[in-house]
Amino acid sequence: SQQGEEDPQALSIQEGENATMNCSYKTSINNLQWYRQNSGRGLVHLILIRSNEREKHSGRLRVTLDTSKKSSSLLITASRAADTASYFCATDVNYGQNFVFGPGTRLSVLP
Amino acid sequence: AAGVIQSPRHLIKEKRETATLKCYPIPRHDTVYWYQQGPGQDPQFLISFYEKMQSDKGSIPDRFSAQQFSDYHSELNMSSLELGDSALYFCASSSTGGGTDTQYFGPGTRLTVL
Repeated sequence: SQQGEEDPQALSIQEGENATMNCSYKTSINNLQWYRQNSGRGLVHLILIRSNEREKHSGRLRVTLDTSKKSSSLLITASRAADTASYFCATDVNYGQNFVFGPGTRLSVLP
Repeated sequence: AAGVIQSPRHLIKEKRETATLKCYPIPRHDTVYWYQQGPGQDPQFLISFYEKMQSDKGSIPDRFSAQQFSDYHSELNMSSLELGDSALYFCASSSTGGGTDTQYFGPGTRLTVL
């Protein structure tokens, strides 16, 4: 079974709205990372949050981590059409030697 | 800034042929990872190398092998190709020894097996 699972699997919102994506995992982690992928393209690193951190911001992105619930959320504020992509969380399960990706959330931002 | 380089970007092979994918990590990065992403699937970890030694192994078929060379570039060798091997293959690098953990991904190699 997968370590990370994203929720929802697909999300469609209007431009300007906020988008929240969740990720759950099963084992203890060292850090959790969020990535963005445009269709058929490479993965772009968005943000890394360590297991001892609870919240992190980067521009319009806000990531939270709840290690007691083994879950993380990615919030994109004031979404833009250009934010349309798939978003994946990845958990570090072996001190930086092995990362497990969740199935991803397909975000569509409608103009 | 230099990024992860992968070659070739596209590769078409016949069943039962072999393929070699190359990855050039960001300079001074000590860890290289290989991932396979099937159509509509999430990336699956295949294998990683830290300082030229295999450091972890995921769902890599026995038909595949990989190594990291003295200049830190890595190659993924795939033999007896099957139709199901058609996928995007990503390489990523990080500075694990430097403690940053962030993986930087290359653009991927799209392998099509006919």
